[in-house]
Amino acid sequence: EVQLVESGGGLVKPGGSLRLSCAASGFSFSSYDMNWVRQAPGKGLEWVSSITSGGSYIYDADSVKGRFTISRDNAKNSLYLQMNSLRDEDTAVYYCARALYTSGFPGRFDYWGQGTLVTVSS
Amino acid sequence: DIQMTQSPSSLSASVGDRVTITCRASQSIRSYLNWYQQKPGKAPKLLIYAASSLQSGVPSRFSGSGSGTDFTLTISSLQPEDFATYYCQQSYSSPLYTFGQGTKLEIK
Repeated sequence: EVQLVESGGGLVKPGGSLRLSCAASGFSFSSYDMNWVRQAPGKGLEWVSSITSGGSYIYDADSVKGRFTISRDNAKNSLYLQMNSLRDEDTAVYYCARALYTSGFPGRFDYWGQGTLVTVSS
Repeated sequence: DIQMTQSPSSLSASVGDRVTITCRASQSIRSYLNWYQQKPGKAPKLLIYAASSLQSGVPSRFSGSGSGTDFTLTISSLQPEDFATYYCQQSYSSPLYTFGQGTKLEIK
């Protein structure tokens, strides 16, 4: 059974840092691109970052570029999101999600974790 | 950047109704469009990918159509468990993805 379990959320002051983790199991983690998606309270979904299966390429939304860094450790079946210079507007539930690509189609998020809440407040 | 716009933002319907939700892209995205369902306090769930392909395990009352800039998600006969928020997502610019703002489906 595919499982994605996020951890590391919590309360942090504006300007602070936090590192989220996502532990993967039940599939060959090193074969899949992975993503972080967030959802502010009462709001919609916002894609945050992507990382390729081998970790060679990363992509970020403009809203987090230069502040957040996605990474992975395939030996530990783990995905990470280092969040620096946090702002009030970064308050959200953060989900990790697996990207599935099939022949002729770029990708969809077929498995998601349960999410971890990050609250940025003084 | 590709913008995704869903309509309506909210919708009231009854069990047994046929419901259609629309998603429009700011430019052609061919058929690179996915639909997700999200219930309160839960992670999103993939329903439809590539505009019209049903994800494994998803009931056949869900269907998707469209290509280019205009897409629809249809629920043929609403069930009590279908009341949720629905999001479209473009993957044309993958791995830079964009979601629509969501459509909340409520019980009338």
